[in-house]
Amino acid sequence: GDSVTQMEGPVTLSEEAFLTINCTYTATGYPSLFWYVQYPGEGLQLLLKATKADDKGSNKGFEATYRKETTSFHLEKGSVQVSDSAVYFCALSFTQGGSEKLVFGKGTKLTVNP
Amino acid sequence: DTGVSQNPRHKITKRGQNVTFRCDPISEHNRLYWYRQTLGQGPEFLTYFQNEAQLEKSRLLSDRFSAERPKGSFSTLEIQRTEQGDSAMYLCASSLVSSEKGQYFGPGTRLTVT
Repeated sequence: GDSVTQMEGPVTLSEEAFLTINCTYTATGYPSLFWYVQYPGEGLQLLLKATKADDKGSNKGFEATYRKETTSFHLEKGSVQVSDSAVYFCALSFTQGGSEKLVFGKGTKLTVNP
Repeated sequence: DTGVSQNPRHKITKRGQNVTFRCDPISEHNRLYWYRQTLGQGPEFLTYFQNEAQLEKSRLLSDRFSAERPKGSFSTLEIQRTEQGDSAMYLCASSLVSSEKGQYFGPGTRLTVT
């Protein structure tokens, strides 16, 4: 079945460090890919998405590029802030017809220290 | 747009008791999803509704679980004869069909079965 694998956490960085969280997927067909973020005490929020190969999603300084050849969607940010501390989830969905249900990875907890 | 709300936020129950959770989606959203998230894992799809019709159920949804969405507005998720393995965060999300904005998640109901 469809699945998402993301790098194990937790990840601890100092403020202004470069962030990469790896995400790879297995799917039959060409899903849409997402990064969701969960801040402490809050619900999941969509951070960015990409719907086809070579698309780049971006938001709040975060970026991820849909790589069909490597079935990857790695999340990057050039300079993290303390406020970026959260749990990040990579997910896929087939958004053309059907349930459009999300299949999530296990999540990666990021802590940014001042 | 007041967001997705879920009640209660926390529920502690004894094994064998029945529990019911409520989700109020964003008012104009015609799709409503239920997910379950256990500690250290990403959310897993349980079921979804389009308007009042329940269109898909995961194999995770045993016959002790039932969900409804009368009149296509709020939804309830009931668990009968709870077991310790039911302890988890139950997440509700809503969306429009094939929306660019994806699914909006509520804060979740944390169930603890003692």
